[in-house]
Order: sequence, then C-alpha cells, then structure tokens
Amino acid sequence: QSALTQPASVSGSPGQSITISCAGTSSDIGNYNLVSWYQLHPRKAPRLIIYEGSKRPSGISDRFSGSKSGNTASLTISGLQADDEADYYCCSYIGSFSLIFGGGTRLTVL
Amino acid sequence: QVQLVESGGGVVQPGKSLRLSCEASGFTFTKYGMHWVRQAPGKGLEWVAVISYDGSIKKYSDSVKGRFTISRDQSQKTLYLQMNSLRADDTAVYYCAKDPHGLVTGYPPDYWGQGTLVSVPA
Repeated sequence: QSALTQPASVSGSPGQSITISCAGTSSDIGNYNLVSWYQLHPRKAPRLIIYEGSKRPSGISDRFSGSKSGNTASLTISGLQADDEADYYCCSYIGSFSLIFGGGTRLTVL
Repeated sequence: QVQLVESGGGVVQPGKSLRLSCEASGFTFTKYGMHWVRQAPGKGLEWVAVISYDGSIKKYSDSVKGRFTISRDQSQKTLYLQMNSLRADDTAVYYCAKDPHGLVTGYPPDYWGQGTLVSVPA
C-alpha cells in the first residue's frame, strides 16, 4: 500500500493559519476514523498533536486542529509561531493491526 | 511520565543481524501494544511492526516480513526488534512507540522514544 499523500512543504508567516492535507483512499482514511498527526523536530521524539482525526491530547495547544472529509484528513495550525516550524506527518490505521504514514510535510515559518 | 528509551543501534554489515531494545517506564507496560517505526535519512516515517499487549499478535510491514521479529519481555518492560539479513535500505532511525489504548492493538501510537540509528553500508 502506498504512503498517504501530503504536500512536501507549506509555509506561512507568524500569526497566519496553514492547512496540511493528507490524502488517502477508502481503504485507510475513508474507512477508519483513526488518523493521527505528529510533529517532528530534529533530535526530538515525535510528538502526537492530533488523534482520532480531530482530538487533541492533553497539553496540545488549541491552535492545532484536525478534520476529515471523505478520504482526506487535514491539519490546521492557526496563529503560527516560530516554534511550529517542523515536519508534520499523518498516520492512519489500515486494518489488520497495521498503519500507514504520509510522506511528511515541512512547515516553514517565514 | 511515559518514557521510551531505545538502544542497540550502530553500524552493521549487510547480511548481518542486530537487536534493538526499547525500555519503557511511566505506564503499565503489560497493558499496551507497542510499535516500531523507522525513518530513513531524508525520507518519511515508515511503520515497521506491532506487537499486542500480551505478545499474541505480531504484524510486520512487507518490507521487513521474514527478516525482522518483534518481541517483548514483560518482566523487564522491554520491547525488542531482532533484525536479520540487514540491507542498505534498512538504514534508518528506529523509534519505538506505544499504542494509545490499553488492550487494543495497532492504533496510531501516542508516545514515542527518541530513536536509535541503524546504519548498514552499501
């Protein structure tokens, strides 16, 4: 199964909002409400920022929000801050105890 | 707080074996499934394997099936990944990660370790 499709890069200025899409199929995103989003900073452990499509773990800013429409999930970051500059990955359950990740999106805060 | 600490990475020649470990703390290890996920240099995340909370379920990605084995030692609160017949394209940072729900296996993980680097020269 191919990786979920994310844009390679997005950018925005401080204070602005950006949205990262994650396109899948009816076998993954479209079939399960089990999409998570992760933030990766260099030399740090990946951090969960959204789970089950739109839920935020404790301690994650409400500037991060997730949604899903059909076979595509989206992550929106509002009020961009310098520290948001990182790589972002979506991940979906695909059944049979297995997972698939997106190709990753590099966010640049201008 | 949840902590996952990987170890065992290093440089290994093609065709050889390596075993990675992941020591867990801060949660009831025996109640959660665990994953291995890797990231090759300059590439994205790739799911590798999962094991259920009791070790009864093990699943692998097609790229490692038959070469890698996931296991766990409940008394030591440690997850393992035995990697055999290593190839250059196995070069990656390997992360262990925890299932978010107790007694349910395979959902996208919540907590991750910082990873350990495995290098297999071409």
